[in-house]
Parts: sequence; C-alpha cells; structure tokens
Amino acid sequence: GDSVTQMEGPVTLSEEAFLTINCTYTATGYPSLFWYVQYPGEGLQLLLKATKADDKGSNKGFEATYRKETTSFHLEKGSVQVSDSAVYFCALHGSGNTGKLIFGQGTTLQVKP
Amino acid sequence: GAVVSQHPSRVICKSGTSVKIECRSLDFQATTMFWYRQFPKQSLMLMATSNEGSKATYEQGVEKDKFLINHASLTLSTLTVTSAHPEDSSFYICSASNPKTGNYGYTFGSGTRLTVV
Repeated sequence: GDSVTQMEGPVTLSEEAFLTINCTYTATGYPSLFWYVQYPGEGLQLLLKATKADDKGSNKGFEATYRKETTSFHLEKGSVQVSDSAVYFCALHGSGNTGKLIFGQGTTLQVKP
Repeated sequence: GAVVSQHPSRVICKSGTSVKIECRSLDFQATTMFWYRQFPKQSLMLMATSNEGSKATYEQGVEKDKFLINHASLTLSTLTVTSAHPEDSSFYICSASNPKTGNYGYTFGSGTRLTVV
C-alpha cells in the first residue's frame, strides 16, 4: 500500500541555518504530495503541496519539489527562524482517493536563537 | 475557502462516560469527512471515513461500537467516544472533502485533545 517515510528527528538548528527534511513515498499512480506543520498544542496547517511531477510547492520561505524519479518531496528553507519550531509532516493523497491522506511519522524541528 | 471547525478543542472526562466531538465545514458542503487520531509524539492515523447520509467506513483495528460516527448533514460530522477509558486519551482531528467542488480533504480542523481520567 501507499506509504510515506520521513527522516528521523528531532532536528536542531541555529537561527538562519539551512533546513532540509527528507521525505520519500511509495504509491501507485500519481499521488499529490503535501507538507503540513503542527505547532505545539495545535492542529495541522497545510504548508505547501504539489500535485504532479516536477511541481514545486512553496509557502513562507519553505519549498519542496515533487521528484517522481526519486519518489521524494524534501522540504527546504534557506534560513530558519525560531518561530519555525514545530513538527512537520509529509503526506500523500493517492490517485483515485476521495481525500484520505497518508502521513509520515513527523519530524520535530527545533530552532535555537 | 475550505474552512473546517472542530469543537471542543479540549475535553476532560471521567472513565466510563461518553464524549462527542463535532467537525463542521464552514464554507462548503462536505460529502466526506475523515477522522484521524494522533498519539503523543506520533503521526496521524486515519480512524474512519464518514459519508453524508450513510454509514462510516472504519479502518482496520478501529472499534466501530466504541467510536460512533454520524454524518447527518453536509456540514457536520460527529465522533462519539463511548465508555471512554484512559487509553482513549489522544488528539482527534478531522478533515472534510467534496471532490466535486474541488475540496479534497486537505484542510483540517484544529483538533480535540481528549483526556480520560
């Protein structure tokens, strides 16, 4: 079945450092891919998404490119801030689905001043 | 667009009692709503899919008699945790979709933290 694998956390960075959180997926067909962010004690916020190969999703300085050849959707940000500290989830929506999302295990990011 | 509201945000209940959680789509009609569960420091797992006007579809291992789901209207689905026990303490979160109108369940409610004491 479809699945998503994220890099293990926690990831600890200093402010203004470069961020990469790896995400790879297994799916049949052509899934849509997502990154969600969850701040402490809160729900999920959609950060960015890409619906087809080579699409780049971007939002708030974060970017991720849908790479079908490597089945990856790595999250990047050039300069992180303390306010970016949160848990990040990679997810996929399989082709033919009506909205069920499959999530990776989440990666905790801690940014220190 | 695609705003999903969930209520309550936090609830504490005693063992053996039942708790109802509401999920509402505020600006679109949701033909399908999804209920997820998140244990501390873990990922989200789909519990069930509710379709308006029909019975919910539960994922393997989820007790349908314990987690009652009702989707009586196109804007409201409810999850009732019956005879709650401490092991039911978790974060429950919903999403809503209507593929015909371009809403695919990508927007989530703010979640409900249930603590059973």
